[in-house]
Amino acid sequence: DSGVTQTPKHLITATGQRVTLRCSPRSGDLSVYWYQQSLDQGLQFLIQYYNGEERAKGNILERFSAQQFPDLHSELNLSSLELGDSALYFCASSGGQGRAEAFFGQGTRLTVV
Amino acid sequence: EDQVTQSPEALRLQEGESSSLNCSYTVSGLRGLFWYRQDPGKGPEFLFTLYSAGEEKEKERLKATLTKKESFLHITAPKPEDSATYLCAVRGNYGQNFVFGPGTRLSVLP
Repeated sequence: DSGVTQTPKHLITATGQRVTLRCSPRSGDLSVYWYQQSLDQGLQFLIQYYNGEERAKGNILERFSAQQFPDLHSELNLSSLELGDSALYFCASSGGQGRAEAFFGQGTRLTVV
Repeated sequence: EDQVTQSPEALRLQEGESSSLNCSYTVSGLRGLFWYRQDPGKGPEFLFTLYSAGEEKEKERLKATLTKKESFLHITAPKPEDSATYLCAVRGNYGQNFVFGPGTRLSVLP
């Protein structure tokens, strides 16, 4: 158990809909990262938050947004969903130091039908 | 831009047959190189962090080494339960995120 909790584990929704994925980082970790992994694809970085502030952005679509709350949990919002958004979405957290490794949650499998 | 490549893409070994996986990286100042194991449909599981050339880390049948341009994950006498995708990632001095390679899919046959 990595200590990173993601909910829900599975999500099935229709095209055009909006969903929210939730992540609780490991206790004490200030950084949260969101990654997307499509079928047989690598991990694509979406966005990072550090102590409530956005720190880095990757190839995140304008239809996607995220935030980190004062209790450090984070939410990834995906709107106007398309079939191609079907993927595994992972959250990871790391400590405040720049050299610290990241620990991943078990992911949310999103299926858009 | 930080980049990571991994080879081979896939590797099939017989149980007990040792081998190595390669991770080549380009980064502007290395803050850390990380190895993960990922089982199908699961989140990556952290294995090792390496910080500087010459460093080595070991865990059971796995040993990770680091040079200035690449890292190797040596697997000694693997077992079927070692079958997984092994991911390499780097974090550079100027990047905030972890940049992952495409992974090596390892299959260990009994």
